[in-house]
Amino acid sequence: KAGVTQTPRYLIKTRGQQVTLSCSPISGHRSVSWYQQTPGQGLQFLFEYFSETQRNKGNFPGRFSGRQFSNSRSEMNVSTLELGDSALYLCASSSAGVGTDTQYFGPGTRLTVL
Amino acid sequence: ELKVEQNPLFLSMQEGKNYTIYCNYSTTSDRLYWYRQDPGKSLESLFVLLSNGAVKQEGRLMASLDTKARLSTLHITAAVHDLSATYFCAVNYGGSQGNLIFGKGTKLSVKP
Repeated sequence: KAGVTQTPRYLIKTRGQQVTLSCSPISGHRSVSWYQQTPGQGLQFLFEYFSETQRNKGNFPGRFSGRQFSNSRSEMNVSTLELGDSALYLCASSSAGVGTDTQYFGPGTRLTVL
Repeated sequence: ELKVEQNPLFLSMQEGKNYTIYCNYSTTSDRLYWYRQDPGKSLESLFVLLSNGAVKQEGRLMASLDTKARLSTLHITAAVHDLSATYFCAVNYGGSQGNLIFGKGTKLSVKP
């Protein structure tokens, strides 16, 4: 079974621009979550989608948004980029609610904002 | 607000030694996770602990959960260099598997 894939893997943007990151979950997984990882703040939850609906949202400004498509693929968008948005963005998928299911993480997208 | 605290944050060990990483969390949660992260890589799932008294072992790593104390431990037995990585514990929040609150991680370095 293929793992979680994320595109692009690396991205360089300048302040004020916007960016869209993509995540394809493991086949059959309906839950997709996004996390931001920085050296200072560590791993922080952004949002979770299940069956195209946002189920949970972390404490991030409205510049961060996401969506999920009917095939469970998800995108997250960051508008008006700031220097502090430079981070590794990780996507994780799970089948959500089945036994001892865990979240499986993708390789991440490393975003650099100049 | 759910908080997850790990200690130590940095751990330098010699090969062959034993050590324990601790993970405390502030409110009730129905499951606890341990992940491993190698430098520049993503997170690899190690264990999912679901109930009080749960113990899971994989190779030289053993994880346990005490829900009454809100404490999980990750015990390393006879450490080897290949275990060098950052280890994170996480708990789910709000009843959803997809909302994990992570500790700051323990950076483990195993030296010969």
